[in-house]
Amino acid sequence: EAGVAQSPRYKIIEKRQSVAFWCNPISGHATLYWYQQILGQGPKLLIQFQNNGVVDDSQLPKDRFSAERLKGVDSTLKIQPAKLEDSAVYLCASSLEGRTGELFFGEGSRLTVL
Amino acid sequence: AQSVSQHNHHVILSEAASLELGCNYSYGGTVNLFWYVQYPGQHLQLLLKYFSGDPLVKGIKGFEAEFIKSKFSFNLRKPSVQWSDTAEYFCAVRSNNNDMRFGAGTRLTVKP
Repeated sequence: EAGVAQSPRYKIIEKRQSVAFWCNPISGHATLYWYQQILGQGPKLLIQFQNNGVVDDSQLPKDRFSAERLKGVDSTLKIQPAKLEDSAVYLCASSLEGRTGELFFGEGSRLTVL
Repeated sequence: AQSVSQHNHHVILSEAASLELGCNYSYGGTVNLFWYVQYPGQHLQLLLKYFSGDPLVKGIKGFEAEFIKSKFSFNLRKPSVQWSDTAEYFCAVRSNNNDMRFGAGTRLTVKP
């Protein structure tokens, strides 16, 4: 079974530039999550999708971050414009529908903002 | 809002020593509890989980965790650690709204 795919693995940009990350969840997984993991901290939920609908985006900085999952499969997370404090690993995870579903994580996209 | 606290930031042990990593959460309702592990250079993987029933759950690689509801705790244990257990360990809590929150993580270094 293929795991959660993310790209790019690494990205270096200057502040005020924009960046986009892509995630393809495990086939059949209805729920998709984007987490931000800053060095030395635990993953922080940015947004959660159930199929193509947003379940929770309360911690997403909506002035600069956006995410979509148009067809209920893959998803894109965008940052525009980036700030220095956005330097982090952006993790995508997916799970089967329901509260008991285990989260399966991708390898993450490491963003460095200079 | 729920929160997850992991007491130890960095733990250093010698091989064969016993391990206990603390995890406390603040949420009054029904929760599902998880421990994830991240080995160097790898993605987060599930170590074990608790949903209901026996509060002592066993996971992979000899790890176990005990849910103590009265203490809002879900501590991770292993009787004898190995060098290959060197990794970062994250406790996570999922509440009724399906929101999964993680602790800050504990880095475990096992000396050979």
